[in-house]
Amino acid sequence: ETGVTQTPRHLVMGMTNKKSLKCEQHLGHNAMYWYKQSAKKPLELMFVYSLEERVENNSVPSRFSPECPNSSHLFLHLHTLQPEDSALYLCASSPGTGWYYEQYFGPGTRLTVT
Amino acid sequence: RKEVEQDPGPFNVPEGATVAFNCTYSNSASQSFFWYRQDCRKEPKLLMSVYSSGNEDGRFTAQLNRASQYISLLIRDSKLSDSATYLCVVEGAGRDDKIIFGKGTRLHILP
Repeated sequence: ETGVTQTPRHLVMGMTNKKSLKCEQHLGHNAMYWYKQSAKKPLELMFVYSLEERVENNSVPSRFSPECPNSSHLFLHLHTLQPEDSALYLCASSPGTGWYYEQYFGPGTRLTVT
Repeated sequence: RKEVEQDPGPFNVPEGATVAFNCTYSNSASQSFFWYRQDCRKEPKLLMSVYSSGNEDGRFTAQLNRASQYISLLIRDSKLSDSATYLCVVEGAGRDDKIIFGKGTRLHILP
């Protein structure tokens, strides 16, 4: 399998549930990212990891908890979410964390919080 | 001024026509600029980077105007398959070093 994969592709969860989103990249990249894409809003960068170390957290609420066990895998743990957290969550990777690198996006997880 | 601003469109353009859209950015120190394309219900994919000298890739031409702080994308001889949302992406630079996406411009190519 090549590129960036994400599972699940669709997720419906209640506000009291705990779930995790998974991302895997097969490109040998060193940096991975989580983005949130809501309707009528631009992509919002949530987290940046470089070689498994978090280098940026754009003031994301603590109900979103990322985990990067190795440079190929990235998780986003979700708990006690709000309906306004419903969105498309995109994972991306790039060769390094310089913003001049192309970002390769996964297909996304469409999350609905009920 | 918003960090990255785009006309949301939609631009409805007949097949074969030329279409252009701009994107303005607020941080004069930004160094990296890109156009990404996002098809309906798909992930964004890099269309082209935007260099100071401008660059061309087939029917697509991207330009950077630092003085007026905007980038542009020109599509010549448009095809039905060009229908998509085009995202302007700018490096924040300096104290605000992050990557910033515009909301995108929707383009519909009409047969």
